[in-house]
Amino acid sequence: KQEVTQIPAALSVPEGENLVLNCSFTDSAIYNLQWFRQDPGKGLTSLLLIQSSQREQTSGRLNASLDKSSGRSTLYIAASQPGDSATYLCAVFDGGATNKLIFGTGTLLAVQP
Amino acid sequence: EAGVVQSPRYKIIEKKQPVAFWCNPISGHNTLYWYRQNLGQGPELLIRYENEEAVDDSQLPKDRFSAERLKGVDSTLKIQPAELGDSAVYLCASSLVPDTQYFGPGTRLTVL
Repeated sequence: KQEVTQIPAALSVPEGENLVLNCSFTDSAIYNLQWFRQDPGKGLTSLLLIQSSQREQTSGRLNASLDKSSGRSTLYIAASQPGDSATYLCAVFDGGATNKLIFGTGTLLAVQP
Repeated sequence: EAGVVQSPRYKIIEKKQPVAFWCNPISGHNTLYWYRQNLGQGPELLIRYENEEAVDDSQLPKDRFSAERLKGVDSTLKIQPAELGDSAVYLCASSLVPDTQYFGPGTRLTVL
């Protein structure tokens, strides 16, 4: 059974700092991996999607990497801003028989002005 | 383009009472999902619909939870009777392709 873990559970950084969020998964047979952002009282917004054949994806100040063989992904946020404060969730899509998104527990990020 | 709409946004009920949540997916999306998100956890799939058909309800507690998607558009998720442990955020999502899901804002349920 696929399990997705995120470390750390919470992170507080001063504005302007670069930071890395970590995600690990137990079964490397994934179709793709996504990073989502969740703001209080709002739904999830997809930030980046990395196909299993890709190593990384970039969008603005965000860069996500994927090492499928080791079951790891990182989300790098450059020059953090208070507006980046949110919960970040990674999710693996296993395609195939179950066709499911399996989410990690999330990292609560607070960027201090 | 309107996103996924859910109502109510918040609901407080006493245990043993019934409760229902409503979801209107993005127009044209044939796949609809209901997730439950407990505090401090990621969302977990409860049920997935392809048009009107529930194709994956393996995680739905069928003794008290029920769902329907009439006419393959709107969906309702019902809990009867609610228990304390049902307090959570219930998220609805829809998609054209399964790995690109669009989420609604969720309904936060508190059971007292």
